[in-house]
Amino acid sequence: QQQVKQSPQSLIVQKGGISIINCAYENTAFDYFPWYQQFPGKGPALLITIRPDVSEKKEGRFTISFNKSAKQFSLHIMDSQPGDSATYFCAASMRNDYKLSFGAGTTVTVRA
Amino acid sequence: DTAVSQTPKYLVTQMGNDKSIKCEQNLGHDTMYWYKQDSKKFLKIMFSYNNKELIINETVPNRFSPKSPDKAHLNLHINSLELGDSAVYFCASSSAGGAETQYFGPGTRLLVL
Repeated sequence: QQQVKQSPQSLIVQKGGISIINCAYENTAFDYFPWYQQFPGKGPALLITIRPDVSEKKEGRFTISFNKSAKQFSLHIMDSQPGDSATYFCAASMRNDYKLSFGAGTTVTVRA
Repeated sequence: DTAVSQTPKYLVTQMGNDKSIKCEQNLGHDTMYWYKQDSKKFLKIMFSYNNKELIINETVPNRFSPKSPDKAHLNLHINSLELGDSAVYFCASSSAGGAETQYFGPGTRLLVL
């Protein structure tokens, strides 16, 4: 049973557009929400993280929004560039748990 | 310097064979993981070791056996390979538990014919 649901499965956006990926979770004990980025042929790498006491976090063109009451969080990629074309995974875990629960992934394609 | 390395990068083998994948990390981390990524890119945790002790053992067939000779190494041995074992296997490490960044290796692409 997947503990983190992610959508859409894939999206195509024009260069300069906004990519939006949504995730939802059920376990209210989750308190750490990272996003990983994976380029073709490579391993996933940490992109950005957020904790539930923060509603928004921005790093460059990447912004995470967090809605604790709705148990949802999302990644916005502003001014999307062809180099952002990758698969993005949301994830969640509990502070004292070694297990990171991943969403199913979203493949983003940015057209020039 | 590669933080998390895996060997081999590619592995093509016949059904029924036994194979091993090796993983090494030079980050000084206490925790290491094995993940399986299927053709739909879904990442599934298989095993995790903390200080050489098995702490996560998901519902993985017992044909898969991890071994951690020391904190820096975590190997995966697979017996009697099946077609469904074809996937990319990633090793990862972190300094501690769930709220810490996991650093992934480049992956081992296993194809069972």
